[in-house]
Amino acid sequence: QLQLQESGPGLVKPSETLSLTCTVSGGSISSSSYYWGWIRQPPGKGLEWIGNIYYSGRTYYNPSLKSRVTISVDTSKNQFSLKLSSVTAADTAVYYCARHDSSGYYCLDYWGQGTLVTVSS
Amino acid sequence: EVVLTQSPDFQSVTPKEKVTITCRASQSIGSSLHWYQQKPDQSPKLLIKYASQSISGVPSRFSGSGSGTDFTLTINSLEAEDAATYYCHQSNSLHTFGQGTKLEIK
Repeated sequence: QLQLQESGPGLVKPSETLSLTCTVSGGSISSSSYYWGWIRQPPGKGLEWIGNIYYSGRTYYNPSLKSRVTISVDTSKNQFSLKLSSVTAADTAVYYCARHDSSGYYCLDYWGQGTLVTVSS
Repeated sequence: EVVLTQSPDFQSVTPKEKVTITCRASQSIGSSLHWYQQKPDQSPKLLIKYASQSISGVPSRFSGSGSGTDFTLTINSLEAEDAATYYCHQSNSLHTFGQGTKLEIK
């Protein structure tokens, strides 16, 4: 059974860079059938897609966040990562990693449990 | 950007009732529309992909329909465990989500 697990600091100071890693187990991140994505959810609010990455390193980003976001992949560790720079309180959210299934028209079929990141001094 | 608008935002329903949630896209997205269920303090769970395709393990009372700009999630014979927030998601042009529909069971 595929599992995704987010990890990283739960508290980030304003203007600093948020860094999270998603570790994939039970399957290979190098499969040609999937993209790997990040989604966030501010407390009490809806879902926002941040971006995704293919195992080759090809990325797509939400235009509203593109200038601050970098997603990278480490196939040797079966991990992909998110960096969000110049954070503010508005970036406080639960951050999820998830798998986009290309055979399912890029639906998100597996999700991590999510990790809360708070931006505060 | 494709904007998805769900209606209603909130609905209070009784068990065994039939529920319909709609999702309207700001431009045509074909059938690249998916539905998720999110219960409190849980990750979203995929219910329906590509507008109407069922997902293994999801109860058959959940179904989806639509194409182009108008889509519907139907829950037949609602059960208490269906209390959750439901989101639509389009993957035709990058990715966006609807604002969510919260379903309360009376």
